[in-house]
Amino acid sequence: SQQGEEDPQALSIQEGENATMNCSYKTSINNLQWYRQNSGRGLVHLILIRSNEREKHSGRLRVTLDTSKKSSSLLITASRAADTASYFCATDDRGSTLGRLYFGRGTQLTVWP
Amino acid sequence: NAGVTQTPKFQVLKTGQSMTLQCAQDMNHNSMYWYRQDPGMGLRLIYYSASEGTTDKGEVPNGYNVSRLNKREFSLRLESAAPSQTSVYFCASRTGASGEKLFFGSGTQLSVL
Repeated sequence: SQQGEEDPQALSIQEGENATMNCSYKTSINNLQWYRQNSGRGLVHLILIRSNEREKHSGRLRVTLDTSKKSSSLLITASRAADTASYFCATDDRGSTLGRLYFGRGTQLTVWP
Repeated sequence: NAGVTQTPKFQVLKTGQSMTLQCAQDMNHNSMYWYRQDPGMGLRLIYYSASEGTTDKGEVPNGYNVSRLNKREFSLRLESAAPSQTSVYFCASRTGASGEKLFFGSGTQLSVL
């Protein structure tokens, strides 16, 4: 079964607002990644956070990781219409030595102008 | 810079037909992956190849076979297509180490009638 589960499944906000998406996972991990997918396209890597990190920033993105709760959040600040996309978390299992990367079901973000 | 190239982009099959999805990367990556994406299910790992000469099953391998032809190419074969295999298929690659980001192809939309 899939490792990561995003919440909410869909999020609709106005431009300028912040968007927060959450990801929960089941097993111990080495790291957690967030990806973005525009409609009809492949996924694009956004940011990675390692299991020994608690928070990471990249531009308007802020990612947190709570390994005790097996959860992560992705915050997009000052959202823009161009941020409209699906967002996925993905995890590298700590127990896997072969590099398997599991994705969640994703959050569909819609940003209205 | 081509990155990850998938062919074909679209395909319609009849139940029972066979076909091979092709994937090639030009980034000298060791690891390659095949995912399928279905509405509401996110991305599910079909097969992966941690390095040239090795392949392993992912979450949903039934009905599929793979071949790591060389370091650049990783093909996915449907021997006898079924309607349940209607999906969007993505190939991805990365250097191979845990924690490295995935690079995705643009996907193959497959319909099995």
